[in-house]
Amino acid sequence: DPKIIQKPKYLVAVTGSEKILICEQYLGHNAMYWYRQSAKKPLEFMFSYSYQKLMDNQTASSRFQPQSSKKNHLDLQITALKPDDSATYFCASSQEWSQNTLYFGAGTRLSVL
Amino acid sequence: GDSVIQMQGQVTLSENDFLFINCTYSTTGYPTLFWYVQYSGEGPQLLLQVTTANNKGSSRGFEATYDKGTTSFHLQKTSVQEIDSAVYYCAMRVYTEGADRLTFGKGTQLIIQP
Repeated sequence: DPKIIQKPKYLVAVTGSEKILICEQYLGHNAMYWYRQSAKKPLEFMFSYSYQKLMDNQTASSRFQPQSSKKNHLDLQITALKPDDSATYFCASSQEWSQNTLYFGAGTRLSVL
Repeated sequence: GDSVIQMQGQVTLSENDFLFINCTYSTTGYPTLFWYVQYSGEGPQLLLQVTTANNKGSSRGFEATYDKGTTSFHLQKTSVQEIDSAVYYCAMRVYTEGADRLTFGKGTQLIIQP
């Protein structure tokens, strides 16, 4: 059974709309992350959280807002969607922030038309 | 800034061939180096890691040596199998105050022909 659940697996949105990507982990980890993989680009770090607090942010746009309602949840809200936001978004977790081993979910593939 | 270079976008081999995937890195810090593997429809998963320079990591027949002199962390396997078909990512983690990020290479698609 997958220990990091991302929903939905596929998402199609229109330009200008808003979507929320869901991530739940059942590994008992205290740190969670978001990474993005655009076409022809490497996986890129976006955010890291530890005990539901933002630790690090490499996303310039405020259109991307992580939301952590519970310790094992880290959702990603994206507003005013643009075609350039089309990518696969991966959630990850680790036992503690700054620990080496990251565990990734299967990703949400977002297409913005 | 920190960077990880994988020049090979795709490698095609036959079963029992020798695998070698290039990875070089650039950083002013003290990195921990990783290889992640991503099977179709799944997220990346850790294959192996090495924290200390000049040490070797190994897992499932794959090996990589952290060579600080050449700033390389090439992945090798003596005899590949069809189940090894996947995308392989070299990655680097350099912890600094307030920031802890993995920097990934572009990935190498490994295709094993039966």
